[in-house]
Amino acid sequence: RKEVEQDPGPFNVPEGATVAFNCTYSNSASQSFFWYRQDCRKEPKLLMSVYSSGNEDGRFTAQLNRASQYISLLIRDSKLSDSATYLCVVNSNASGAGSYQLTFGKGTKLSVIP
Amino acid sequence: GAVVSQHPSWVICKSGTSVKIECRSLDFQATTMFWYRQFPKQSLMLMATSNEGSKATYEQGVEKDKFLINHASLTLSTLTVTSAHPEDSSFYICSAADLLEETQYFGPGTRLLVL
Repeated sequence: RKEVEQDPGPFNVPEGATVAFNCTYSNSASQSFFWYRQDCRKEPKLLMSVYSSGNEDGRFTAQLNRASQYISLLIRDSKLSDSATYLCVVNSNASGAGSYQLTFGKGTKLSVIP
Repeated sequence: GAVVSQHPSWVICKSGTSVKIECRSLDFQATTMFWYRQFPKQSLMLMATSNEGSKATYEQGVEKDKFLINHASLTLSTLTVTSAHPEDSSFYICSAADLLEETQYFGPGTRLLVL
């Protein structure tokens, strides 16, 4: 089983649509969770951290279910500029400070169509 | 977010030459930096973890003698691809660990093309 699995995609949605990305992780000791965004031929950029209580940043909402080892990202009212690959990322360091190794999912490509 | 720079952004070289890539954290001290490689349409693959003042930790399958990593200061790590071959052509990305946010910030990447 892969450490971090995501919807294979790609997702092609019209402007204004709501789109959801799902992700599961295998290491139950994982401590921190993130969504990164990667534009074509660019480096990944942190979109948002994912907290146990769920968190929202404008049109973006992230949810975490530790029992199911499941993470989600919801984008509302999608814009053309949201087109990118969305990476589910897990920090599986269970030993506290000193190591912040991240494990990346393969990413789900989103294309928002006019 | 934090700023990480990488240099050069593009490299085209002949087979057999060595290429050095620099990664700098510009506004924070990074005791730990990471080097990744990404082939087209593939996910980021961690190559090695670079710790300031000590030897790098390489992932399985990554040759430490081919990919030399030096992390001499809290703001600079370098990756040297020795005797590069066409199969080493890839997108190399570094990141620096932000201890407060427990995450990593990425440099803009270096595209390496070995002819």
